Amino acid sequence: GAVVSQHPSWVICKSGTSVKIECRSLDFQATTMFWYRQFPKQSLMLMATSNEGSKATYEQGVEKDKFLINHASLTLSTLTVTSAHPEDSSFYICSARLGGHTGELFFGEGSRLTVL
Amino acid sequence: GDSVTQMEGPVTLSEEAFLTINCTYTATGYPSLFWYVQYPGEGLQLLLKATKADDKGSNKGFEATYRKETTSFHLEKGSVQVSDSAVYFCALSTNTGNQFYFGTGTSLTVIP
Repeated sequence: GAVVSQHPSWVICKSGTSVKIECRSLDFQATTMFWYRQFPKQSLMLMATSNEGSKATYEQGVEKDKFLINHASLTLSTLTVTSAHPEDSSFYICSARLGGHTGELFFGEGSRLTVL
Repeated sequence: GDSVTQMEGPVTLSEEAFLTINCTYTATGYPSLFWYVQYPGEGLQLLLKATKADDKGSNKGFEATYRKETTSFHLEKGSVQVSDSAVYFCALSTNTGNQFYFGTGTSLTVIP
């Protein structure tokens, strides 16, 4: 079945640095990808919808200058956490949809970010 | 607006017990309904889905029936195993947009 791959799985960085997370659809083209953030023992919070060839659509309360999203091709979206701080530490998950409104979301493995 | 309300956990069951995790939804139109499972330290993966009323999704012994009259999509399994320990998310997708709505997740722990 369709696979979405995320990299890196784990990243530890110093406060003030930037971190890039990649999300790839491995065997299908995804014009739209979604980025979620998950806090410990909580549900998924949609951060933004990444659209190939255009600007991402951010959810209310998500800082677009903090969380830069680029969807440069039909198989790759990237999330860059700029000037990371400890409160940005979280589990970030990307997903892509296959098959219209009845189609399922395929999720990446998730990326755990720890900011020291 | 569209939303999903899911039974709060955590849920702890003994092996071979019967499992029910309740999920109800609010949506305009005709949504598709999903159950996703997240094992510790991993991303989410689809467990089952139903795309229209009265459809039953099933996988790995889990079942859920799309009940339009009660706007529900409860997850059931007749005999749980330790390996079923995970967090389960109910979700819906509307036919008018590209948006998924997730429930808050229910943590299940199965003890031997």
